[in-house]
Amino acid sequence: AQTVTQSQPEMSVQEAETVTLSCTYDTSESDYYLFWYKQPPSRQMILVIRQEAYKQQNATENRFSVNFQKAAKSFSLKISDSQLGDAAMYFCALSGGYQKVTFGIGTKLQVIP
Amino acid sequence: SQTIHQWPATLVQPVGSPLSLECTVEGTSNPNLYWYRQAAGRGLQLLFYSVGIGQISSEVPQNLSASRPQDRQFILSSKKLLLSDSGFYLCAWGGLDLTRPRGYEQYFGPGTRLTVT
Repeated sequence: AQTVTQSQPEMSVQEAETVTLSCTYDTSESDYYLFWYKQPPSRQMILVIRQEAYKQQNATENRFSVNFQKAAKSFSLKISDSQLGDAAMYFCALSGGYQKVTFGIGTKLQVIP
Repeated sequence: SQTIHQWPATLVQPVGSPLSLECTVEGTSNPNLYWYRQAAGRGLQLLFYSVGIGQISSEVPQNLSASRPQDRQFILSSKKLLLSDSGFYLCAWGGLDLTRPRGYEQYFGPGTRLTVT
């Protein structure tokens, strides 16, 4: 069975600063994908970034980047130059078997002006 | 481009009444489709998924059911709602990377907020 653990229920960051959200996972698969999703107050789930496990290079999307540590089964999200619009719930997710994605319970990010 | 629709956006129903939530996808063929429920302040619970017309897999035994009458239509139903059915229901379709079959990212609809009174 796959598991995804997000141990930070809430985080806060000053506007323009950098914040890192943590995620650990477990899977018996050797080939899998990892994702970070954002859910703003509108509750629309938005895919922020994806990481393919077979790639050693960390994924980057504009101000969002990940630190993927495969041996440690760790997948953190770094948000640089935080903006007010980044305030949301962030979900870490794992796709390691056909058809299904396993989600963590989320981290609520507050951005302080 | 692909889009996914859900309706209604909000719904208030009394206990014991029936339920029908609809999800449709545009711009893709034979998508994998998913129903999730998100309770207040909680993560996503997978309820059902479908890999094709008439093919439904249930993840959690409950009084809900799902159907897929058409390729891009996914319906969540209940004959008699319970108070515990209240929550935010999300439909998603799965994007398959054909070069890496274990890579499924999912794209979500806007959701339906269901309140059972």
